[in-house]
Amino acid sequence: KQEVTQIPAALSVPEGENLVLNCSFTDSAIYNLQWFRQDPGKGLTSLLLIQSSQREQTSGRLNASLDKSSGRSTLYIAASQPGDSATYLCAVGSHTGTASKLTFGTGTRLQVTL
Amino acid sequence: NAGVTQTPKFRILKIGQSMTLQCTQDMNHNYMYWYRQDPGMGLKLIYYSVGAGITDKGEVPNGYNVSRSTTEDFPLRLELAAPSQTSVYFCASRPPGGPTEYTQYFGPGTRLTVL
Repeated sequence: KQEVTQIPAALSVPEGENLVLNCSFTDSAIYNLQWFRQDPGKGLTSLLLIQSSQREQTSGRLNASLDKSSGRSTLYIAASQPGDSATYLCAVGSHTGTASKLTFGTGTRLQVTL
Repeated sequence: NAGVTQTPKFRILKIGQSMTLQCTQDMNHNYMYWYRQDPGMGLKLIYYSVGAGITDKGEVPNGYNVSRSTTEDFPLRLELAAPSQTSVYFCASRPPGGPTEYTQYFGPGTRLTVL
């Protein structure tokens, strides 16, 4: 059974700092790995998707890496801003029954202070 | 496009009551999913559907039922609500095609409390 762990559970940094969020998973038979952002009381917004054959993806100040063999992914946020404050969820895509499914970690709650 | 919409946004149920959570997507996605998110936890898959008339169980299906009569709609039915079903429920959809390159699009969620 796939298990996804995110460390740390919470993180507070001053504005402008670069930071790294970590995600680990137990089963390397995955389709992809995705990072989502969740704001309080809102749904999830997809940030980056790394296919199983890829090593990293970049979008603006965000860079996500994937090491399937070690079961790890990192999300790097450069020059953090107060607007980056949210919960970041890592999710691993894998096969289930007749479709694919996402297995989520419990998230890292990020606060960027002025 | 409105994307994925869910109704209601909030609901309080008494133990033993039933209700249907509505989910609609206007992106012509064939894959649709229901998740629940308990406080401080990740999302867990309840049910999913690969197209109209086809549904299957996820990790935590007990106490729930689904149907998929159209491409757009994927309602989730709670029968005999229990306090353990207090959670935030998210509906999601995904485009057709290979699973490796497509993300899921999420609705805003329904916050359900069972007292």
